Amino acid sequence: GIQVEQSPPDLILQEGANSTLRCNFSDSVNNLQWFHQNPWGQLINLFYIPSGTKQNGRLSATTVATERYSLLYISSSQTTDSGVYFCAVYRMNRDDKIIFGKGTRLHILP
Amino acid sequence: DTEVTQTPKHLVMGMTNKKSLKCEQHMGHRAMYWYKQKAKKPPELMFVYSYEKLSINESVPSRFSPECPNSSLLNLHLHALQPEDSALYLCASSQVPPPNEQFFGPGTRLTVL
Repeated sequence: GIQVEQSPPDLILQEGANSTLRCNFSDSVNNLQWFHQNPWGQLINLFYIPSGTKQNGRLSATTVATERYSLLYISSSQTTDSGVYFCAVYRMNRDDKIIFGKGTRLHILP
Repeated sequence: DTEVTQTPKHLVMGMTNKKSLKCEQHMGHRAMYWYKQKAKKPPELMFVYSYEKLSINESVPSRFSPECPNSSLLNLHLHALQPEDSALYLCASSQVPPPNEQFFGPGTRLTVL
């Protein structure tokens, strides 16, 4: 099956720093989603981004489907950005599944 | 309204108990999902309902029994669980056909004693 790899697995940054999280996938996908899981377990939708670039405040994401990767940029990090960031991919007409990467655990120090 | 709600937030049960987890959405989505998430792991798909019919069962043990009584509600009935079933149970919904952009509820944290 398709493999989804996220890097880095862990990241510790000072408040105010910028970061780039990466998601590589081993086969073509129809869509890709980025989530933030907060310390209470809630999965928050960040981006639904099959291709191209989107921005939402301090966050932006770029997916290059032909090269099988997506990047999530976080600028001017805040302590509330701490948590786990998951990339999840979808393949239509193969199975009705969303396949998650293992996540990047981000810890922002005050 | 882009909210998926789940009840209860926390549940502690014995191995002989029967309990149910509930999920509700009012986004008009016709696909609903149950996931199980263990600590420090990504969510794992358990079941998918599409138009209130079970479309995917990821070889989940029969002690977990899903039910979709209508397009807004999804239940997960639990019976004779094991301690290793302790986890965060997440519900999600999306437009059809699945898979599509999924919206997750806050989860039920289940502890089996």
